[in-house]
Amino acid sequence: DGGITQSPKYLFRKEGQNVTLSCEQNLNHDAMYWYRQDPGQGLRLIYYSQIVNDFQKGDIAEGYSVSREKKESFPLTVTSAQKNPTAFYLCASSIGQGAPSTNEKLFFGSGTQLSVL
Amino acid sequence: DAKTTQPPSMDCAEGRAANLPCNHSTISGNEYVYWYRQIHSQGPQYIIHGLKNNETNEMASLIITEDRKSSTLILPHATPRDTAVYYCIVRVPHLYGGATNKLIFGTGTLLAVQP
Repeated sequence: DGGITQSPKYLFRKEGQNVTLSCEQNLNHDAMYWYRQDPGQGLRLIYYSQIVNDFQKGDIAEGYSVSREKKESFPLTVTSAQKNPTAFYLCASSIGQGAPSTNEKLFFGSGTQLSVL
Repeated sequence: DAKTTQPPSMDCAEGRAANLPCNHSTISGNEYVYWYRQIHSQGPQYIIHGLKNNETNEMASLIITEDRKSSTLILPHATPRDTAVYYCIVRVPHLYGGATNKLIFGTGTLLAVQP
């Protein structure tokens, strides 16, 4: 089945530790995104990538890093500089290049809940 | 991007149609209306989108008023599995998509379908 896979489902971070969240897609999409969701709130964009080997900061990039070495993969690292990392993290992808209206059709993974020990 | 206004919550009886309203009075002529939903602890799911004409797919119908200042998402026969937060988003689509024109998810409408 085509889709987006995020792992792990639950992740715990210790003080001062970096952790990496995995996101893989087999939809052949060019664009990929990372969002953060806090309880009762909407999604906020962390980073996005429109093509391999390129990525841009979103609204809340501080304390996070990403890489896009392969089209299928867009891992997110939550660094020790992120002082409030507890949140639900969502990865998404979209066609990226194609009929304009379809570019806003995002496909989301099932999310990773990150908590601080 | 135009802002949207949605009621924070709605109830619907199982088997009845759920009509979710969205106001977007500042929408411009080339902005599309998108609807997503998010079931608890899952990623949002695309439902439908439209520009001017009403749209229907296997999940829902989208009714856009003639002046385009508001729209209604209709789930024709709601079930408890439709209980979720529904997001109405207005966007100008761009050729290369991406978050240079990022989708802004507000707090949406929590629809509770009662059995």
